[in-house]
Amino acid sequence: EAQVTQNPRYLITVTGKKLTVTCSQNMNHEYMSWYRQDPGLGLRQIYYSMNVEVTDKGDVPEGYKVSRKEKRNFPLILESPSPNQTSLYFCASSSFTSKGGTEAFFGQGTRLTVV
Amino acid sequence: DAKTTQPPSMDCAEGRAANLPCNHSTISGNEYVYWYRQIHSQGPQYIIHGLKNNETNEMASLIITEDRKSSTLILPHATLRDTAVYYCIGEGYGNKLVFGAGTILRVKS
Repeated sequence: EAQVTQNPRYLITVTGKKLTVTCSQNMNHEYMSWYRQDPGLGLRQIYYSMNVEVTDKGDVPEGYKVSRKEKRNFPLILESPSPNQTSLYFCASSSFTSKGGTEAFFGQGTRLTVV
Repeated sequence: DAKTTQPPSMDCAEGRAANLPCNHSTISGNEYVYWYRQIHSQGPQYIIHGLKNNETNEMASLIITEDRKSSTLILPHATLRDTAVYYCIGEGYGNKLVFGAGTILRVKS
């Protein structure tokens, strides 16, 4: 089954304690991205990756890092989390379709609370 | 980034067609229009996308006006499980999906 898997699903942590949210896809997609979703602000892109070792900033990259050492994995790293990073996070991987454009597959989400 | 405008909410009777409108007057000629939906706080789910022609798949139909300034997503026979937030989305730099506030569709029995 085609899927994007995020872990953990829920996480409560303290300010300043480094954490990593993992994301893995089994569809051999080149393009992967991270979004955060906040009430009133919708979904905003944090980082994206067009292929292995190729990453770039999205709209809200401050306080986050990513890496893309393998095609299937795209972890999101918070080196020093702060309360304003409390949010619902989604990882997505995308493929180009035969008619043009893309189709994105999203993970189940990670609800992060930083206290 | 292409901006889209949708009504904040709509109601639909179960079994009837749900027609969700979207304005995207700033979309450029080679940008696709995408529709996704999000049920509760699950990950967004792809529905359909198009460029100029109308499109249909097993989930929905997409009608795009000739001037490409607006489109309508049609769920032909809405069920209670179609209650969700529906996003009409344009593309941004780097294949980014530019989400707006979406339309809350409530399907009622």
